Amino acid sequence: GAVVSQHPSWVICKSGTSVKIECRSLDFQATTMFWYRQFPKQSLMLMATSNEGSKATYEQGVEKDKFLINHASLTLSTLTVTSAHPEDSSFYICSAPDDNTEAFFGQGTRLTVV
Amino acid sequence: GESVGLHLPTLSVQEGDNSIINCAYSNSASDYFIWYKQESGKGPQFIIDIRSNMDKRQGQRVTVLLNKTVKHLSLQIAATQPGDSAVYFCAEKYLKTIFGAGTRLFVKA
Repeated sequence: GAVVSQHPSWVICKSGTSVKIECRSLDFQATTMFWYRQFPKQSLMLMATSNEGSKATYEQGVEKDKFLINHASLTLSTLTVTSAHPEDSSFYICSAPDDNTEAFFGQGTRLTVV
Repeated sequence: GESVGLHLPTLSVQEGDNSIINCAYSNSASDYFIWYKQESGKGPQFIIDIRSNMDKRQGQRVTVLLNKTVKHLSLQIAATQPGDSAVYFCAEKYLKTIFGAGTRLFVKA
C-alpha cells in the first residue's frame, strides 16, 4: 500500500530556534497533504492543508507565520516551526490522501522544545 | 461544531471477546468515515472506512456500522487479541478530516 514517510521521528531544539519537519509520499503523488498536531492523551487536531504549488490553508487559531508550510513537489511537504517555544512541544503528524481518501499517515515527529 | 478530543475513554476486554468502540460525529454533511488505530509514539494506521451511502462494511475481523440518523459510528473487532491494544480514533470527512476523541482499548490476556 501507499507509504508516507516523515522525518525526523523526534527532535529536541532550543527555545527560539526553528525546526523543519518533512513529509514524503513514497510511492504516489500527493497534491494535498495534511498536518496535524497531537498533545498527550488527546486527539489529532488538523493544523493546515498543504497544497502543491499554492499556499497552505490554515485552520482557525493556527498561526501561519509560526508554522510555515511548503509543498514544493508532488511528493514532499515541509512544516517549519519557527521561533519554537516549549508550548510548541507536541507530536506532529502528516498525512497524504490516495484516491480521494485520507488513509496514509506518517510515523509522526515528536518535538521537544527546551 | 467540531469534535475535539479532551480525554480518552477506555475499553477493557478479555482476549478472545468481541470489542465494540463507539463514536459520535458532528457534521451531518460528512460523507466519508474512517477508523484508525494508533499505537504509542506512532502515526495513525488505517483500519477500515465507509462512505455515507452505506451503513455497514466488513473487513478482516473488523466491521464498521454507520447510523446517519443519529450520527453514530461504531467499530466492531471480532476475537480481540492483545495486539489490538491501542487507541482507536474515528474520523469524519467533508472537505477536511476531523478526528474524534479516541478510545483506548486494553486487551486482557
